[in-house]
Formats: sequence, C-alpha cells, structure tokens
Amino acid sequence: EAGVTQFPSHSVIEKGQTVTLRCDPISGHDNLYWYRRVMGKEIKFLLHFVKESKQDESGMPNNRFLAERTGGTYSTLKVQPAELEDSGVYFCASSQDHWRQGQPNTEAFFGQGTRLTVV
Amino acid sequence: AQTVTQSQPEMSVQEAETVTLSCTYDTSESDYYLFWYKQPPSRQMILVIRQEAYKQQNATENRFSVNFQKAAKSFSLKISDSQLGDAAMYFCAYRTKYGNKLVFGAGTILRVKS
Repeated sequence: EAGVTQFPSHSVIEKGQTVTLRCDPISGHDNLYWYRRVMGKEIKFLLHFVKESKQDESGMPNNRFLAERTGGTYSTLKVQPAELEDSGVYFCASSQDHWRQGQPNTEAFFGQGTRLTVV
Repeated sequence: AQTVTQSQPEMSVQEAETVTLSCTYDTSESDYYLFWYKQPPSRQMILVIRQEAYKQQNATENRFSVNFQKAAKSFSLKISDSQLGDAAMYFCAYRTKYGNKLVFGAGTILRVKS
C-alpha cells in the first residue's frame, strides 16, 4: 500500500512568486491534514479536510495560503505571493477514523514533507 | 490551548546504550492521547509509540517505552539498546481524545554514535 506522498520534495522560489504543493493521501483516507515546521520550531497545524470539505482551517496563517481538495482525493496548498517567512517544511498527513473497544483509534500517516525555501 | 515542550534540542547516545527523550505538555483535558513520532533524514515521519491518558500502564513497543506521569504532565521516551537506525528527529505530540489535529513539540535530534 502506498503511503502519503508529497510533491515536490524541495522547492526554492523567489519572494513574490507562487508555489503549489501537492499531497496524495493514502487511498480511502477521508481525513487530510496540512502542517508546517518553520526552522527549529514546532510543527504547527494548518488545516484539516474531511473528504473535500475544510473541517478546520484555524491554523492557516493568512489569505496568501489556499488549500484545496477537489473530489476528496489529493490536496494542493498554494502560497501566493510567497514571503520569506513562509520558508519551512510542509507536512501532509492522512487518516481514517477507527474505533477499537469503544475508543477512538485513529492514526495519522505522514508524508516526507516538502521543504520550501523562499529567497 | 494545549502546548507541548521538548526541552532537549539535541541528544547523543552510544550504540547499544539507553537514552531518554523528555517531553512535557499542558492541557486542561482529562482524557487525551500522546505520541512520539520519528522522522529520519528526508524520510516520512512515522509513529513510534502512543499512550492513551486513561491508561495507567506505560506503553511499550519493543525497544521503545514511555514514562507517562499524568499528574506531572510528563511523557518521556526511553530507547533501549540504541541502534544506528534510531538516529532521527523525534517529535512528541498531543491530541485530544476525540479531536484530529496534533499539537507538536519542537523536536529532539537524536544522534547515535558507533
């Protein structure tokens, strides 16, 4: 079974340009998440899709970030225009809700991340 | 809001020795999950171990075990018989029981010396 895959693995762009990151979740996973890690800091939640709907986008930093998940399959995260502070590693994760013995047993599976450098 | 703190930016351990990575967290919830994730260089982050807060017994997975101190809000990871393949960035994370999003610490780089 293929895991969560992210494209590209690295991207270097100039300030003001546009970049689109892509995430292919594990097939059948309804939940898809985007996270970001700025250098040396903690990984921070950006948003959560359930199928094609945005369940929680409370972590999106500003309106330069646009996430989509058309058809409830893969997702894209577009940054336009990119700023220097957008540099970091962007992680995608997917999960499917499971219950075991009456307790939620959901595990999130992560991709390898996209390292974005804005110069 | 929940927070997770990893106070050790970097740790080193000799191969075959034991190392403990620290993690503390803050929450007002009584039931939640705690996780340790491992990210080898340029590879996917994978789940190492999970602890349900309602369980008093510490979770173990082969050479990996946790010391969960609920009252102290502490969740350390012990790696026994360290191997070169254990070298990675380790992230501690928290999730509410019925929530989905994870709250992460800043990570600890673990170096294993041969």
